[in-house]
Amino acid sequence: DSGVTQTPKHLITATGQRVTLRCSPRSGDLSVYWYQQSLDQGLQFLIQYYNGEERAKGNILERFSAQQFPDLHSELNLSSLELGDSALYFCASSDASTEETQYFGPGTRLLVL
Amino acid sequence: GQNIDQPTEMTATEGAIVQINCTYQTSGFNGLFWYQQHAGEAPTFLSYNVLDGLEEKGRFSSFLSRSKGYSYLLLKELQMKDSASYLCAVEDSSASKIIFGSGTRLSIRP
Repeated sequence: DSGVTQTPKHLITATGQRVTLRCSPRSGDLSVYWYQQSLDQGLQFLIQYYNGEERAKGNILERFSAQQFPDLHSELNLSSLELGDSALYFCASSDASTEETQYFGPGTRLLVL
Repeated sequence: GQNIDQPTEMTATEGAIVQINCTYQTSGFNGLFWYQQHAGEAPTFLSYNVLDGLEEKGRFSSFLSRSKGYSYLLLKELQMKDSASYLCAVEDSSASKIIFGSGTRLSIRP
């Protein structure tokens, strides 16, 4: 158990819909990262937040957005969902002193029908 | 551009040694990660190399050559539980992001 929690574990929805994925980092970790992992794309870095501020941006679509709240939990919002958005979405966290070590949550498996 | 290459699949025998290579081309470089990921599970951190050389952690070692854009993960005394995907990832300083390779699926046979 990494100490990072993600909800929900599974999500099934339809095209065009909007969903919110939630992540709680390890206690004391200031950085939160979001990743998408699909079968044909591997692990793709989406976005990083540090203490509430956006720090780095990867291959995140405009239909996707994220934020980190004052209590450091983070949410990833996916809108106008398409079939290709079906994937595992991982959240990871790291602390300020050892930022290179990321601890991954169990992931949210999203299926868009 | 940014590119990370690692073999798609490898097979090795229980008790043996296997080396998984990773080559990278990125605009900037802060460090290189290796992660292990079992099917359907989250990646788990194995190592992070910033400087050239070999770092050993029990049965796992990771090597980095920044000048050659090359790293390898060495697994010794292989166990069946080492069957997993191994992901190489580079922290690209100029792009401020982490780029993952597609992963190497390692199968261990008895």
